[in-house]
Amino acid sequence: QKEVEQNSGPLSVPEGAIASLNCTYSDRGSQSFFWYRQYSGKSPELIMFIYSNGDKEDGRFTAQLNKASQYVSLLIRDSQPSDSATYLCAVVLITGGGNKLTFGTGTQLKVEL
Amino acid sequence: DADVTQTPRNRITKTGKRIMLECSQTKGHDRMYWYRQDPGLGLRLIYYSFDVKDINKGEISDGYSVSRQAQAKFSLSLESAIPNQTALYFCATSLAGVSHLFFGPGTRLTVL
Repeated sequence: QKEVEQNSGPLSVPEGAIASLNCTYSDRGSQSFFWYRQYSGKSPELIMFIYSNGDKEDGRFTAQLNKASQYVSLLIRDSQPSDSATYLCAVVLITGGGNKLTFGTGTQLKVEL
Repeated sequence: DADVTQTPRNRITKTGKRIMLECSQTKGHDRMYWYRQDPGLGLRLIYYSFDVKDINKGEISDGYSVSRQAQAKFSLSLESAIPNQTALYFCATSLAGVSHLFFGPGTRLTVL
């Protein structure tokens, strides 16, 4: 089992719809969770982080965390063509060697006109 | 603006050549990292440094070495480049005690 898993996509949604991106992780002790957005050929940029169970909202973005089920999701409301990018989930895994930020392979999102 | 910069941005080299990728930052962060990104494999940690005197191997350090010349500078070397080191390389920084990273623009390296 991969430590952080994401569906590679592409996930296609029409403009104005809600895009739902999911991520599961293996380490039950993980405490910190991050979503990065990466446009093609560019570097990842942080868009959301969440530490506690439940939802965290920032503008059109909502991060949802369920520690019991070991998944974290990102919802993008009113999706725009400019949201088309790859979204990377990152989790701080509590490993024997200390805290380690581990990335999933990313989900490609395409927002269609 | 406080920033993370990488040089060169693109490099094509031949098998067996020594290559150095450089990273500098004006964010004042203590922690610096080198990642490589390959299609389908995501971002993988090569080396990281929590301060000038601290160097740690990541999950894929074989074939690479690093030098932390100053708080603001962290360089990655490929002593003898091989084709499977063809990838997009990112430098990143973070504050001590904070997990999220700030990435540089990346270096696209091609080894022929």
